[in-house]
Amino acid sequence: GENVEQHPSTLSVQEGDSAVIKCTYSDSASNYFPWYKQELGKRPQLIIDIRSNVGEKKDQRIAVTLNKTAKHFSLHITETQPEDSAVYFCAASKNDMRFGAGTRLTVKP
Amino acid sequence: DGGITQSPKYLFRKEGQNVTLSCEQNLNHDAMYWYRQDPGQGLRLIYYSQIVNDFQKGDIAEGYSVSREKKESFPLTVTSAQKNPTAFYLCASSIIRGGAYEQYFGPGTRLTVT
Repeated sequence: GENVEQHPSTLSVQEGDSAVIKCTYSDSASNYFPWYKQELGKRPQLIIDIRSNVGEKKDQRIAVTLNKTAKHFSLHITETQPEDSAVYFCAASKNDMRFGAGTRLTVKP
Repeated sequence: DGGITQSPKYLFRKEGQNVTLSCEQNLNHDAMYWYRQDPGQGLRLIYYSQIVNDFQKGDIAEGYSVSREKKESFPLTVTSAQKNPTAFYLCASSIIRGGAYEQYFGPGTRLTVT
């Protein structure tokens, strides 16, 4: 089955800096790669996703890149703000979905 | 994701009792999922169902059971056979869009077993 690895497990940046979270997946059949943001005690919220036929997608301050050959994808957050502090999960999906272990992002004001 | 509801938000049970967690969605999504999340951990798939009256085991199905009698509902029973049932349980549903399963989560049920 699919195995998703996510790095780093924790990330601390200064407000205004960029943050990058990286994931790798094992199943070349996976065709959908979402990113979720989870605040403490809340449900994961879908923030951006990318399909296997696209290499990059951007939505305001967040962007995701996908390298199908290397089977890795990354989340980029620019101009970070304190409200970006949360746990971020990547996932890979074909019929079911497998999640990375999460990255705890802290943005220091 | 406002169309996915889980109840109750907090649930307390004594060890040895079965307990059923509710998950309902009014989004007309075909697929539904149950995940378990432990403190500081990721999400682990328990069961999923892509159509009514059919479901598949995920990575940690032992000690859990599900049913999918209606499209809108996917209840999860945590049985006494589950050795460490205390956790945050998340239900999700998904819609197929562009060949991919876009997944949205309910608010979760925090189960404590003592």
